[in-house]
Amino acid sequence: NAGVTQTPKFQVLKTGQSMTLQCAQDMNHEYMSWYRQDPGMGLRLIHYSVGAGITDQGEVPNGYNVSRSTTEDFPLRLLSAAPSQTSVYFCASSYSRSGRTGEQYFGPGTRLTVT
Amino acid sequence: EDQVTQSPEALRLQEGESSSLNCSYTVSGLRGLFWYRQDPGKGPEFLFTLYSAGEEKEKERLKATLTKKESFLHITAPKPEDSATYLCAVRSGYGNKLVFGAGTILRVKS
Repeated sequence: NAGVTQTPKFQVLKTGQSMTLQCAQDMNHEYMSWYRQDPGMGLRLIHYSVGAGITDQGEVPNGYNVSRSTTEDFPLRLLSAAPSQTSVYFCASSYSRSGRTGEQYFGPGTRLTVT
Repeated sequence: EDQVTQSPEALRLQEGESSSLNCSYTVSGLRGLFWYRQDPGKGPEFLFTLYSAGEEKEKERLKATLTKKESFLHITAPKPEDSATYLCAVRSGYGNKLVFGAGTILRVKS
């Protein structure tokens, strides 16, 4: 199993540009989520999905869109990049069955810089 | 609002010097407290889940404990390879969301 994969590993954008961060998992996990990690602030939840066709907002959803057309893929779209979106982005997946959602498997991360 | 506070922010230990990391939480209806380890440039890696006060989990030199207000990650006789950032998170209420603390950066020197 490849686990959770993310592409790209690094990205530099100019203010106003849009892009999609890719995330895929091969563990047949129902639950997938996107976090951003900033120094001193820990991981903050952006969006999450409990299954194909179902998504919901997390703590910091503004400026980001998601969709979940398959169990395996959960892309994160930045609509119009802003310097405040400079961060490290992590995708995670887990089972949804009761008691196991917190045991999340994380991808290697995408380091995004917006100039 | 659910909150997780970890202390200290950073901890330096000599190899073999045991210590503890703290995770204090405020949550409405705890449905699990989780510890993760994160190495530089990598994603967090799951360590433990604790569900109820008094519960303990162990893995090699690490032991996690839980009370009604906080959790401790005890590190016994640490080695340099234990150096990492340790993250604590809680899942609350009826949702699937995790709330993370800012983490404790642990450095173990030989």
